[in-house]
Amino acid sequence: GDSVTQMEGPVTLSEEAFLTINCTYTATGYPSLFWYVQYPGEGLQLLLKATKADDKGSNKGFEATYRKETTSFHLEKGSVQVSDSAVYFCALRTTDSWGKLQFGAGTQVVVTP
Amino acid sequence: GAVVSQHPSWVICKSGTSVKIECRSLDFQATTMFWYRQFPKQSLMLMATSNEGSKATYEQGVEKDKFLINHASLTLSTLTVTSAHPEDSSFYICSATLGNRGGSEQYFGPGTRLTVT
Repeated sequence: GDSVTQMEGPVTLSEEAFLTINCTYTATGYPSLFWYVQYPGEGLQLLLKATKADDKGSNKGFEATYRKETTSFHLEKGSVQVSDSAVYFCALRTTDSWGKLQFGAGTQVVVTP
Repeated sequence: GAVVSQHPSWVICKSGTSVKIECRSLDFQATTMFWYRQFPKQSLMLMATSNEGSKATYEQGVEKDKFLINHASLTLSTLTVTSAHPEDSSFYICSATLGNRGGSEQYFGPGTRLTVT
């Protein structure tokens, strides 16, 4: 079945450091790929998405490129801030009629001043 | 736009009682709503897919008689945890989609924390 694997956390960084969170997937067909962010005590918010191969999603300084050849969708940000501390989830949307989301395990990111 | 609310945001109940959680789409009509469960420091697990006016579709391993889902209108879905036990304690999250096909984006509610004592 479809699955998403992302790097384990927590990832601890200093402010202004470069962030990468690896995400790979297994899926039949051509799923859409997403990154969601969950701040402490809150629900999930869509951070960015890509719907086809070689698409690059970007938002708030974060970027991720849909790589079909490596089945990856790694999240990157060039200079993190303390406010980026959160849990980040990689997800794929299945190609069935309901478009269910399959989530990775989540990666906690802690940015220190 | 596309705001989803949940009520209550947290609830404590005694073992053996039932608890109802509401999920509302505030500014759009949601043909499909999803219910997830999230354990501490873990990912979201899809419990069921709920379509307005029809029975919910449960994921494998989810007890439909224990987790009753009702999608009575295009803006409201409810999850009732029946005869709750401490192992049902978790963070329950709903999401809603604007359309009725797989290409529609899901908008998430803020979640409901259930503690069963």
